[in-house]
Amino acid sequence: QSVLTQPPSVSAAPGQKVTISCSRGSSNFGQNSVSWYQQLPGTTPKLLIYDDDKRPSGIPDRFSASSSGTSATLGIAGLQTADEADYYCGTWDSSLSAAVFGGGTKLTVL
Amino acid sequence: QVQLVESGGGVVQPGRSLRLSCAASGFTLSRHGMHWVRQAPGKGLEWVTYMSSDGITQNYIDSVKGRFTISRDSSRNTLFLQMNSLRAEDTAVYFCARFSGSDRSGSWDSWGQGTLVTVSA
Repeated sequence: QSVLTQPPSVSAAPGQKVTISCSRGSSNFGQNSVSWYQQLPGTTPKLLIYDDDKRPSGIPDRFSASSSGTSATLGIAGLQTADEADYYCGTWDSSLSAAVFGGGTKLTVL
Repeated sequence: QVQLVESGGGVVQPGRSLRLSCAASGFTLSRHGMHWVRQAPGKGLEWVTYMSSDGITQNYIDSVKGRFTISRDSSRNTLFLQMNSLRAEDTAVYFCARFSGSDRSGSWDSWGQGTLVTVSA
C-alpha cells in the first residue's frame, strides 16, 4: 500500500474542473515536494507539475496544483476528452534515498 | 533533445536473469540521479531503484533488494538494471527516468518508453 493515497477514479464533464488529491499517510516518508505525472493510455508518464505547484514549460495553465503539508491537490480546468488519462503523484525522500508514487487516479471525461 | 531508450526486456523463466539497458542522449547521465520505475500490467507506477549522480548511492525497494543491481557506464552514457532470481511478480514494463532539481523539490522530468519484462514458465 502506497504512503501516497489517491482516489482510484474521478470524472467530470467536458469544460468542467476536476481535482485529484494525494494524501501522505502517517509515515514521515517524503516531506519533500510532490510532483504530478500524466500517463495517457499506452504511453509513458509525463511530468505535469513539479515542486508542489510549478508547471514545466509546455504544460497548459489549465493544470494547477497546491500542497498543504499532508496533502497535495492537482486541478485540471476546462476538461477535454484528451485529458482522459491516469494521474500519479510522486515524491522523493532524500534521507531514505527512496521514492514513492501514489496508486494513480483514472480521469474520465464524460 | 533529452532521450532515454530502454532495451533488454523479454520473456524469461522464473529464477533466471535479465539485464535492462537505458541509453541516454541529449544530456550526461552522471549529472543526474537516475531511477528505474516499473508498472505491472494494469497497475500503477512503482519505484524500483535509484543511483545518485555521483554513482556512490544506490537504493532499492525491499522486494528487489539482493536480486536487482543498478549500474551505469558513463563512457556509453547508459544505465543498467541487472535482474537476477526473477519472480512472476517482477512482470512489468520497466521505465528509466531522469531526476532533475534539488533533493527537496526535484522530479522525474524525462522518461523512456519502457521495456516489458515477462516472467513466466
